[in-house]
Amino acid sequence: NAGVTQTPKFQVLKTGQSMTLQCAQDMNHEYMSWYRQDPGMGLRLIHYSVGAGITDQGEVPNGYNVSRSTTEDFPLRLLSAAPSQTSVYFCASSYSVSTGELFFGEGSRLTVL
Amino acid sequence: AQTVTQSQPEMSVQEAETVTLSCTYDTSESDYYLFWYKQPPSRQMILVIRQEAYKQQNATENRFSVNFQKAAKSFSLKISDSQLGDAAMYFCAYLWDFGNEKLTFGTGTRLTIIP
Repeated sequence: NAGVTQTPKFQVLKTGQSMTLQCAQDMNHEYMSWYRQDPGMGLRLIHYSVGAGITDQGEVPNGYNVSRSTTEDFPLRLLSAAPSQTSVYFCASSYSVSTGELFFGEGSRLTVL
Repeated sequence: AQTVTQSQPEMSVQEAETVTLSCTYDTSESDYYLFWYKQPPSRQMILVIRQEAYKQQNATENRFSVNFQKAAKSFSLKISDSQLGDAAMYFCAYLWDFGNEKLTFGTGTRLTIIP
């Protein structure tokens, strides 16, 4: 079982560069989301999707774009990377709304110089 | 705004002993869910236990149990017979916005197991 797969696991960017963090799940989950994890701040929700074609903003959406063209994939795009976006990013999915039981990927560590 | 507070940044416990991790939350909602997630050194978050606010009975999962005090807005995690594999960051989380799965996480408690 692959579960939730994130790529790349590590990435170094220069300020102003753009990139896409990929997230794919093979569990046919409707709900998918992106969190960032920073020291001393726990996890904060960036964007989420309750189904294909539907996305919405979370707590810290600025500087990030998402799209959900298929149930399986939910990529996160950094449009113009900034040092403040240095973080560990987690993609998560859930098979049912209203459960809170998220299945997480292994995370992607991003450093912006 | 809903907030989740974990006041213990680090805890340690002797192997085979019992440890309790604290969590408090702030909400005006009457119906919500609470969770404990574990993040081992591999980084992948794993759900440990879940509690529905409308249930008075405390949730248990093998060696993990919670002490849910709704009036006090407290949700502590007890780990019995601690094992080396329990070493991890533990995050308390809260969900009230059903249908959007927008969890609010605490800042985490790093648990060290002493052999």
